[in-house]
Amino acid sequence: DGGITQSPKYLFRKEGQNVTLSCEQNLNHDAMYWYRQDPGQGLRLIYYSQIVNDFQKGDIAEGYSVSREKKESFPLTVTSAQKNPTAFYLCASSGLNTEAFFGQGTRLTVV
Amino acid sequence: KQEVTQIPAALSVPEGENLVLNCSFTDSAIYNLQWFRQDPGKGLTSLLLIQSSQREQTSGRLNASLDKSSGRSTLYIAASQPGDSATYLCAVRSSWTSYDKVIFGPGTSLSVIP
Repeated sequence: DGGITQSPKYLFRKEGQNVTLSCEQNLNHDAMYWYRQDPGQGLRLIYYSQIVNDFQKGDIAEGYSVSREKKESFPLTVTSAQKNPTAFYLCASSGLNTEAFFGQGTRLTVV
Repeated sequence: KQEVTQIPAALSVPEGENLVLNCSFTDSAIYNLQWFRQDPGKGLTSLLLIQSSQREQTSGRLNASLDKSSGRSTLYIAASQPGDSATYLCAVRSSWTSYDKVIFGPGTSLSVIP
């Protein structure tokens, strides 16, 4: 079935550690996005990519990094520079001028 | 800068009631508006997409309206059921060229009591 898959569902990070969240899609979408969701707030855009080997910062990119080596994959690394990483992370993909499809999310907790 | 708000933040209704969720946006120059449903700990599921040239969209018991001039959209849910309990988010898209110009509201948490 076509869709977008995030893994893992739950992730725990120790202080000072980098962690990577996976996002894979088989929808043949050109664009992919990472959002952060905090309680009581709307989704905020971290990074997005509209084509392989190219990506742009969103509204809250500090402390995060991404890569887009393949059309199907857009992993997000939460670095030690992100001081408040505990949140729910959502990945999405879309074709040009179409609505987006979302993954099921990864809940990251700092321990 | 586009801002999107949703009122109320939470709503609790008895089963069977008709209800309206509200979404307001500050800049009427939008491309489209989309309503999503989010179950606890899950991703977003698209419910209805309204293009800027449309006034409303319907899907089953759901009806979404759009009034660009007043900066408002409403999601009407008829004959509510406990399975409708979830958080409902609206998202306003300002550019047709890319999905990055999408602003999400904070959501309305709906609880339908059996």
